[in-house]
Amino acid sequence: GAVVSQHPSWVICKSGTSVKIECRSLDFQATTMFWYRQFPKQSLMLMATSNEGSKATYEQGVEKDKFLINHASLTLSTLTVTSAHPEDSSFYICSASPRGSGTYGYTFGSGTRLTVV
Amino acid sequence: SQQGEEDPQALSIQEGENATMNCSYKTSINNLQWYRQNSGRGLVHLILIRSNEREKHSGRLRVTLDTSKKSSSLLITASRAADTASYFCATVGGGSNYKLTFGKGTLLTVNP
Repeated sequence: GAVVSQHPSWVICKSGTSVKIECRSLDFQATTMFWYRQFPKQSLMLMATSNEGSKATYEQGVEKDKFLINHASLTLSTLTVTSAHPEDSSFYICSASPRGSGTYGYTFGSGTRLTVV
Repeated sequence: SQQGEEDPQALSIQEGENATMNCSYKTSINNLQWYRQNSGRGLVHLILIRSNEREKHSGRLRVTLDTSKKSSSLLITASRAADTASYFCATVGGGSNYKLTFGKGTLLTVNP
């Protein structure tokens, strides 16, 4: 089955530093990947759509300079949280679809728990 | 933005009982999907129902869709303690927009 690998699973960083999270599709190519943010006991909020070879599309209210997305290959998208602050602490999850569309289910990574101290 | 509401927000049942979760949405959809999330983990796709379908089954799961009421339900029959998780519905809109819009989720606890 389709597998999406996300690393790291958890990270603790100091305020002001940057953190990179990787999302890889292991057995399929993904021209599009999605990045979500989830606060404790809440639902997933879409942050941005990552497009291979082009700029990411950010949702309203998401700072593109704060959350840098790079989708340099068909199997890898990265999310970099720049100049992280405690309010950026959250659970970040990526997803992709083997069929390249929303007409079949999406496969999610296992998530990254970011804690900024 | 959230697509809609799910109810109940939390549901606690005994093993062997059935669990029903409901989801409402606001805009027209291409399909509706249900996902499961164990605490602190990623989401697992359970089932997808298209806008022209009314009911779908997969093992112990039964999903219904009523597009006139913009609502869906997920029924888990003969629940097990291992079914304890959060369950989310998510919709995909029409056109070329393939983004998932999630509901708020239902936390299901199945007591052994």
